[in-house]
Amino acid sequence: GESVGLHLPTLSVQEGDNSIINCAYSNSASDYFIWYKQESGKGPQFIIDIRSNMDKRQGQRVTVLLNKTVKHLSLQIAATQPGDSAVYFCAVSGNKLTFGGGTRVLVKP
Amino acid sequence: GAVVSQHPSRVICKSGTSVKIECRSLDFQATTMFWYRQFPKQSLMLMATSNEGSKATYEQGVEKDKFLINHASLTLSTLTVTSAHPEDSSFYICSAGQGRTNYGYTFGSGTRLTVV
Repeated sequence: GESVGLHLPTLSVQEGDNSIINCAYSNSASDYFIWYKQESGKGPQFIIDIRSNMDKRQGQRVTVLLNKTVKHLSLQIAATQPGDSAVYFCAVSGNKLTFGGGTRVLVKP
Repeated sequence: GAVVSQHPSRVICKSGTSVKIECRSLDFQATTMFWYRQFPKQSLMLMATSNEGSKATYEQGVEKDKFLINHASLTLSTLTVTSAHPEDSSFYICSAGQGRTNYGYTFGSGTRLTVV
């Protein structure tokens, strides 16, 4: 089965700096990946997605990079703001979603 | 965009009683809904997949007789935690898909269940 993992459980970042969250996956056949943001006491919120035919996709202040060779993806948040403080999950989507372990991002003022 | 409503947001129940959680897709028809459980500081773990008009598919280790799932319509799925025990206290989250694969499902706001 699919397993998805994260390299860092907690990331502390200064306000205004860039954040990078990493994620590894195990199934080389996976072809659709999603990043979610979860604030305390709430459900996951869609941030950005990427399909396997791409290696980079940009949104508003966020960029997802996909390296299929090493089965790794990352989420970059530019100019991190206090409102970005949350737990971030990567997920692999197929018939169901498989989530990674999550990284907590703490933004220091 | 797609909206999923989950109710209640918080519930406290006595040990041995049952609790029902509702998940509704408000502006689309959800042929498939998913139920997750999330313990503190952990990731979301899929409990079961609910398909409209058919029996739910449970993940390994999830007791189907304890976590009853009903998906009677294209906009509503319910999860009933039967004979709840303190170890069932958790954050339960639903999500809904529109019947195709590779879809970034929309999530409800979650239900915090506390069994005392």
